[in-house]
Amino acid sequence: GNSVTQMEGPVTLSEEAFLTINCTYTATGYPSLFWYVQYPGEGLQLLLKATKADDKGSNKGFEATYRKETTSFHLEKGSVQVSDSAVYFCALSDLSPGNKLVFGAGTILRVKS
Amino acid sequence: GAVVSQHPSRVICKSGTSVKIECRSLDFQATTMFWYRQFPKQSLMLMATSNEGSKATYEQGVEKDKFLINHASLTLSTLTVTSAHPEDSSFYICSASHPPRVEQYFGPGTRLTVT
Repeated sequence: GNSVTQMEGPVTLSEEAFLTINCTYTATGYPSLFWYVQYPGEGLQLLLKATKADDKGSNKGFEATYRKETTSFHLEKGSVQVSDSAVYFCALSDLSPGNKLVFGAGTILRVKS
Repeated sequence: GAVVSQHPSRVICKSGTSVKIECRSLDFQATTMFWYRQFPKQSLMLMATSNEGSKATYEQGVEKDKFLINHASLTLSTLTVTSAHPEDSSFYICSASHPPRVEQYFGPGTRLTVT
């Protein structure tokens, strides 16, 4: 079946450090890929998405490239801020009727000033 | 655009009572809405998928008679937790989608505590 694997956290960085959160997936067909962010006590916000191979999603300084050959969608940011502290979820849309999402376990990011 | 609201944000109820949670898409018509449950420090667990005007499709292991879902209009879905027990305490999150877009838009969540 379809699945998403994320690097385990928590990831702790100093402000202005480079961020990478690894995400790999297993899927049949060509799923769409997403990164969602969850701040404490809140729902999920869509951070970025990519719908086909080699697409790069980007938003608020975050980027991720859909790599079909390595089945990966790693999240990167060149310079993190304290306000980026949150839980980040990688997900794929399995293209089933209604487009159900399959989530990774989530990665906690803590940024220290 | 693509704003989803949930009400209430927090609710405390006594064991044995029922609680209704509303999920609304504020600026778009949601043909499909999803209900998730999230335990502390864990990922989201899909409970059910609901399409406007039809019965919800529940994931394996989710009791349909306990978690009643109604999707009466293109902007409103409700989840009713019937005869709630302390083990039903959790963070419940809804989301909505609007084809042809593939992404889901999430509500802010509802913290349910059953005493």
